[in-house]
Amino acid sequence: QKEVEQNSGPLSVPEGAIASLNCTYSDRGSQSFFWYRQYSGKSPELIMSIYSNGDKEDGRFTAQLNKASQYVSLLIRDSQPSDSATYLCAVTLNSGGYQKVTFGTGTKLQVIP
Amino acid sequence: NAGVTQTPKFQVLKTGQSMTLQCAQDMNHNSMYWYRQDPGMGLRLIYYSASEGTTDKGEVPNGYNVSRLNKREFSLRLESAAPSQTSVYFCASSEPVHLYFGPGTRLTVT
Repeated sequence: QKEVEQNSGPLSVPEGAIASLNCTYSDRGSQSFFWYRQYSGKSPELIMSIYSNGDKEDGRFTAQLNKASQYVSLLIRDSQPSDSATYLCAVTLNSGGYQKVTFGTGTKLQVIP
Repeated sequence: NAGVTQTPKFQVLKTGQSMTLQCAQDMNHNSMYWYRQDPGMGLRLIYYSASEGTTDKGEVPNGYNVSRLNKREFSLRLESAAPSQTSVYFCASSEPVHLYFGPGTRLTVT
């Protein structure tokens, strides 16, 4: 079982719709959870972080964490063509005093104008 | 601030050649990392340095060596390049767990 799993997509949504991206992780000791956005040919950039159960909102983005289900999600409201990118889920785990960061393989999002 | 910088941006090597990828950060971060990204495999950690003077292996260290030259600089060396090392290489720094990535080096080994 992969440590962090994501559906590779592509996930296609029309402009203005809500895009829902999902991620599951295998280690119950995981402590911090992140969503990175990566445009084609570019490097990943952090867009959301979440550390406790529940929802965290930042503008059009909402991250949701359910530790009991080992599930993290990212909702993008009012999706725009500029949101078209690959979204990487990342999870950290304390490993011998070091915060090990493990990435999923990413979900490609396409927002159709 | 430039953030995280990497050189070169592109490189083509023949099998068996060696090269060093350079990385520098100006954010005064303690931790630095080297990742490789391959289609369908995601980002995989090659080596990391939790602080100046320390380095440790990540998930895929074979065929690579690293040097943490000082707090700013963390280099990755391929001693004898192999076609399996064709990839995009990203350097990153963090404080503490928010990763800041460099622009990447696209390496092709023929």
